[in-house]
Amino acid sequence: DIQMTQSPSTLSASVGDRVTVTCRASQSITNFLAWYQQKPGKAPELLVYKASSLETGVPSRFSGSGYGTEFTLTISSLQPDDFATYYCQQYNSYSYTFGQGTKLEIK
Amino acid sequence: EVQLLESGGGLVQPGGSLRLSCATSGFSFSNYAMSWVRQAPGKGLEWVSTISGDGGTTFYADSVKGRFTISRDNSKNTLYVQMNSLRAEDTAVYYCAKDRTTVSGHYPDYWGQGTLVTVSS
Repeated sequence: DIQMTQSPSTLSASVGDRVTVTCRASQSITNFLAWYQQKPGKAPELLVYKASSLETGVPSRFSGSGYGTEFTLTISSLQPDDFATYYCQQYNSYSYTFGQGTKLEIK
Repeated sequence: EVQLLESGGGLVQPGGSLRLSCATSGFSFSNYAMSWVRQAPGKGLEWVSTISGDGGTTFYADSVKGRFTISRDNSKNTLYVQMNSLRAEDTAVYYCAKDRTTVSGHYPDYWGQGTLVTVSS
């Protein structure tokens, strides 16, 4: 099975900051990677698919990049609504696996 | 508007059974693979199972293989999972998800609000 490792596990930042979350795959997944945002008590929401394609309706301050085994999610200027937990997910096989999550906290 | 509404969660004893349902609307149900994803309290997301649009192909995580059965009724636009031989480690919020299928694999693009399953004596 393909393992996904996110870093950091927790990230403290302020409104207006630029932040980056990293996700590494245990083997190449080319660009079959998605990113989700989850707020407490809510279902995850799709932000990015195919490593760098922004889902319709997602603000342009979010961006994704990467290929192979290393990927990043960047928020260019943090807004109050962005404090949440972020998960990467690989879909390079019939099953899919998630990273362990990165909790973005207010500094 | 795509809507997914899970039901059937609750408290069950170890070794017991439970069937979850997910009623859907707002999209052509039979054209899409559907999945169950769970989240244990305070933990991350874990894929559980996927079923193809016509119901003919199913996939399971090793952790539930042989105990859970995913199914769908395309005439009712509803997804199910039958969970047998439940264990404490199956305690989680169970989400149903509509999948977007690609040449390589599939990923959820819409999620329900989740239903809590608690396995405890």
